[in-house]
Amino acid sequence: QSALTQPASVSGSPGQSITISCTGTNSDVGDYNSVSWYQQHPGKAPKLMIYDVSNRPSGVSSRFSGSKSGNSASLTISGLQAEDEADYYCNSYTTNFWVFGGGTKLTVL
Amino acid sequence: EMQLVESGGGLVQPGGSLRLSCAASGFTFSSHGMHWVRQAPGKGLEDISGITSNGVITFYANSVKGRFTISRDNSKNTLYLQMGSLRAEDLAVYYCARVLRGTKNAFDIWGQGTMVTVSS
Repeated sequence: QSALTQPASVSGSPGQSITISCTGTNSDVGDYNSVSWYQQHPGKAPKLMIYDVSNRPSGVSSRFSGSKSGNSASLTISGLQAEDEADYYCNSYTTNFWVFGGGTKLTVL
Repeated sequence: EMQLVESGGGLVQPGGSLRLSCAASGFTFSSHGMHWVRQAPGKGLEDISGITSNGVITFYANSVKGRFTISRDNSKNTLYLQMGSLRAEDLAVYYCARVLRGTKNAFDIWGQGTMVTVSS
């Protein structure tokens, strides 16, 4: 049950695009198309942004997109906005359990 | 409105016990798997336990296995986490989360969290 690897921080200017990576193994990210992404603002509960690698829940902006290649998944945010500044976590299903990444702090400059 | 409301957190001494509850409303609780996810102060998310919609199958992280027990009462629309042999490292905000039907790990509804403090 090892955590997935995410960069500690990323930053971008308003209007730009950024990508957050999430690296696992062939036992989790590489073996299942069950990667989800969560946004968390300070003091708030996490919010589901992407599920099953690339699906967006109803109500989530199309500026958020997800993908996967091999043992790594990615979250891309296009047209960065000030309100996107938050912590982002990936999650993958693995055999009989679920593992989160360590989290990435996104700063909008 | 679909929502989850946790309760039962508080201050407990090392070695003590606590039971958390998560009350669901606005959706068919018995149709969804549920999880408990915790977050230590300033740290990331940790999935510590899950349970299937019918309560038959449960899952635990190694960090809580043998000390915590997840359960649910579908007649009361409530999820529980019985916590025992509590340690300082169990200090965290505990969230309950709903699993979107048809997925393995889309936690689409979260509670507001309840704080557990372990200290003498």
